[in-house]
Amino acid sequence: DQQVKQNSPSLSVQEGRISILNCDYTNSMFDYFLWYKKYPAEGPTFLISISSIKDKNEDGRFTVFLNKSAKHLSLHIVPSQPGDSAVYFCAGQGAQKLVFGQGTRLTINP
Amino acid sequence: DTGVSQDPRHKITKRGQNVTFRCDPISEHNRLYWYRQTLGQGPEFLTYFQNEAQLEKSRLLSDRFSAERPKGSFSTLEIQRTEQGDSAMYLCASSLPSVPYEQYFGPGTRLTVT
Repeated sequence: DQQVKQNSPSLSVQEGRISILNCDYTNSMFDYFLWYKKYPAEGPTFLISISSIKDKNEDGRFTVFLNKSAKHLSLHIVPSQPGDSAVYFCAGQGAQKLVFGQGTRLTINP
Repeated sequence: DTGVSQDPRHKITKRGQNVTFRCDPISEHNRLYWYRQTLGQGPEFLTYFQNEAQLEKSRLLSDRFSAERPKGSFSTLEIQRTEQGDSAMYLCASSLPSVPYEQYFGPGTRLTVT
């Protein structure tokens, strides 16, 4: 039962352009959605969250969009920087725990 | 730095041995979570504590797994009679109860069962 899905295992973007990472979910009971970033040999780092009652949240270069009717969320990174190269996980939060997608490896090319 | 810490960072053990991992959360966080991550997957929830009370356990947490948080501070995760399928990254996270969705993760313990 994959409640959160990230269908793109990898994404390659040129430095300075926009990176768009996508995530789909099936559980309508999630209260919040989150994006985490993970470098090798480190734990996931919290990036940005959005309440299920909102449709957009912005924090600097990062913006998360939520489309509840489509059960879809996306993370936009503008402009993309080399340090953004990492694995990105989306997660839904419900009943106190996080349910993660499989992750998307983002590579920013100079 | 007062982030979440985990010890050890790496553990190699032989099948059938017992292992114990430790997690020290951010000091003001009274919620503590354990997750497991295997290659190519996102972290999967195992269990969580509020203070010393273990409030939820995943069905992934078989009888060979036990977690404790005796004084509401650090936590331990023990795996008895390890199996090769237990090889994974074990992640600990903590949060404030008022913001349970903002979970801060430690670096993880990489377990390899040979």
